[in-house]
Order: sequence, then C-alpha cells, then structure tokens
Amino acid sequence: NAGVTQTPKFQVLKTGQSMTLQCAQDMNHEYMSWYRQDPGMGLRLIHYSVGAGITDQGEVPNGYNVSRSTTEDFPLRLLSAAPSQTSVYFCASAGQVNQPQHFGDGTRLSIL
Amino acid sequence: AQSVTQPDIHITVSEGASLELRCNYSYGATPYLFWYVQSPGQGLQLLLKYFSGDTLVQGIKGFEAEFKRSQSSFNLRKPSVHWSDAAEYFCAVLSGYSTLTFGKGTMLLVSP
Repeated sequence: NAGVTQTPKFQVLKTGQSMTLQCAQDMNHEYMSWYRQDPGMGLRLIHYSVGAGITDQGEVPNGYNVSRSTTEDFPLRLLSAAPSQTSVYFCASAGQVNQPQHFGDGTRLSIL
Repeated sequence: AQSVTQPDIHITVSEGASLELRCNYSYGATPYLFWYVQSPGQGLQLLLKYFSGDTLVQGIKGFEAEFKRSQSSFNLRKPSVHWSDAAEYFCAVLSGYSTLTFGKGTMLLVSP
C-alpha cells in the first residue's frame, strides 16, 4: 500500500516554464488537496477536490490549475512558473470529510 | 474564517525535560483539531487528533494534547523530550471538505 505518491521529488524550472506536479493515491479516497509550504508560513491550501470531476480553490490558487479526472490522481499544473512559486508542495488525501489527511512526501520546486 | 495561531516560532528544551507547545484556534463550530510533526526534509506525520469526547487525547511517540474550549486552545505536551523529537510541529483545524488550516509551526530544538 503506497499511500500518497508525489512525483517528482525535486525540480528546478526557469521562469515562464510550465510543469505538472503529479499526485496519486491508492486508498480510494474521495478528498484530495494541494498545499504549499513556505518558511514561516506553515502550509497553505492551493486547491482541493471532493471527488472525480469536482475541484475548488483554496487560499492561494493564483498561478495554479488542477483537474480530477479519476479518483486516484490529482495533478497540479503551473502554467507559467514564477520565482514566487518556489516552495515545497504537498498533496494529501482523506477517505471521509472529517478524517485526518494522509500526506505525500512533497515536491521541492525551485524556479529561477 | 477559521485560523490557527502558534505563538512560539522556536522553542528549545533540554533532553529529558517536559514540553508544551501552544496552539490557539478560531473556529465557529466544534473544531476538529490535529497536531502534525515534520522532520527536516520529510513529509507530515499525524501525532494526534481531537474530534469530540475526552478533552485529553493521546497520540503517538508519547505525545498528548488537551482541548480547552474556554481558552480556544489545543496545546501539545510530552513529559520527557528525546533528542529525536527535534522537528517542526504544526497545529491544524479541519476547515471543511477535509481541508486543513495550519498554524505557522513551532520549531523544537532539543539541547543535550
């Protein structure tokens, strides 16, 4: 049982490039979320999904797109990377609305 | 809107001494509260959760937390700290649709 798998673990981009951060879970969880972690800021919610085909914005959605075509996958897209998007990105999933989230190991993204 | 405050950015504790990390929340209804721990370069691990019932909850690694509604607090405690407890600790409140609002974290340093 792999849990929540994020790829890649590390990535360096140039300003203006696009990229997709992958997140997959094998627990048949309906609820999935993306967070970014910046020093001194804790984790902030970017986007979330309550099931296949249903997504919504979180606290800091600008510059990011998501889609949820299957229960298992919830990719996060950066359309035109900016240095302000340098961060550590975490994907999480939960099986029920009031259950603790399971987190992936994170993707460390640097944008030059 | 819900929020979580962790007043202490850094705390240094001697190995073997007791520990208390503070967390205050703002939430309109009965909160679902969590403590997560993050070791350097790692993902987030759930220490414990409070949903309802007994206000003193036990977690993994010898941690416990007490929910005090009158003080809007959910402080994390451990009677005797080990060097391996050095990490960053995050308090979080469930914000709906299984998403979390996090505090900014408290970095625990353990001195010999």
